[in-house]
Amino acid sequence: QSALTQPASVSGSPGQSITISCTGTSSDVGGYNYVSWYQQHPGKAPKLMIYDVNKRPSGVSNRFSGSKSANTASLTISGLQPEDEADYYCSSYTSSTTWVFGGGTKLTVL
Amino acid sequence: EVQMVESGGGLVQPGRSLRLSCAASGFTFDDYAMHWVRQAPGKGLEWVSSISWNSVITGYADSVKGRFTISRDNAKNSLYLQMNSLRAEDTAFYYCVKARDYYMDVWGKGTTVTVSS
Repeated sequence: QSALTQPASVSGSPGQSITISCTGTSSDVGGYNYVSWYQQHPGKAPKLMIYDVNKRPSGVSNRFSGSKSANTASLTISGLQPEDEADYYCSSYTSSTTWVFGGGTKLTVL
Repeated sequence: EVQMVESGGGLVQPGRSLRLSCAASGFTFDDYAMHWVRQAPGKGLEWVSSISWNSVITGYADSVKGRFTISRDNAKNSLYLQMNSLRAEDTAFYYCVKARDYYMDVWGKGTTVTVSS
């Protein structure tokens, strides 16, 4: 149950686009279309942003999108806004019928 | 409104036990699987355990297997986590999370567990 690999930090200016990667193995990310992404502001509970690789829950801005290629999933945020500054975590279902999270990525909006 | 409220956290000595509870409301509790997810201070999220709607299927992270037990009482709309043989590394914020298919769609606000002598 090794954690998925995410960059520790990314940054971008308002209006720009950024992409956060999430790398796993064929036993998790690569084996299932069950990757989800969560946003967490300081002192708050995580919030679901993307599920099943590229689906957006009702109420989540269409500036957030997800994709996957082989063992790497990605979260793209377009038109960065100050309120997007937060920690982002990917998660995947695994072949062991467990779930695994990435280490988290801190997004800074410059 | 879908809501989960965790309780039962606190300060406990290493080797002792603690039982977390989660009161769910705003949805048909026995239609959904549930998870516990934790977050150590300043660290990332870690999946701890999950339970199917009917309690038939449970799963645990290797880090807690054999020490933690997840359970639920659908009549009381409640989820539980019995934590035994607690270690310092179990110190974390524990979230009760509603499952939806293969993702976690609604999170509680969490409860803090501190394991220290």
